[in-house]
Amino acid sequence: DGGITQSPKYLFRKEGQNVTLSCEQNLNHDAMYWYRQDPGQGLRLIYYSQIVNDFQKGDIAEGYSVSREKKESFPLTVTSAQKNPTAFYLCASNPAGPFNYGYTFGSGTRLTVV
Amino acid sequence: AQSVTQLDSQVPVFEEAPVELRCNYSSSVSVYLFWYVQYPNQGLQLLLKYLSGSTLVKSINGFEAEFNKSQTSFHLRKPSVHISDTAEYFCAVSTNAGGTSYGKLTFGQGTILTVHP
Repeated sequence: DGGITQSPKYLFRKEGQNVTLSCEQNLNHDAMYWYRQDPGQGLRLIYYSQIVNDFQKGDIAEGYSVSREKKESFPLTVTSAQKNPTAFYLCASNPAGPFNYGYTFGSGTRLTVV
Repeated sequence: AQSVTQLDSQVPVFEEAPVELRCNYSSSVSVYLFWYVQYPNQGLQLLLKYLSGSTLVKSINGFEAEFNKSQTSFHLRKPSVHISDTAEYFCAVSTNAGGTSYGKLTFGQGTILTVHP
């Protein structure tokens, strides 16, 4: 079945360490997105990519980095510069083009800084 | 730029009662509107969407939402809720404007629906 796979489901990190969250899709979607979810704040866009080898900053990109070397993969690195990284991270994809028919979401990664 | 406001952060309701989750949006251009549902520690699932045509859209599990352009609203309703409807619901908006705004969704803060027996 087609879908988005995020791994790991739970991740613990020590302060000062970088960590990479994986997102893989087999939907042949052009566009991919990373959102951060905090209680009571909805979802906030971190980075997005509409085509391979290109990506754009979202609303809260500081302290994060991404790459898009393959169409099916869009990993997110949470760097030590991110001041409050503990959150639930969601990856999504979209066929892109001129119409948005609704995202497909992964099941999320819960990152905890200890 | 667009924005979304979900007017209630929490909505408690008894089983088999009707429910309405309110959503208002702001945008200077035409919009697409979505409702997503999230169960604990899971990703979001698309519940229903308005792209064009009939302003009343329905999901397969009994929810419906009506696009009201004059009031810039997209409220979600269900005439009779079940325990299994307990979840967090997100309203989202996207524009069909060109350029880099293609496909970008802006989400509301979420409404936690709790259905009590």
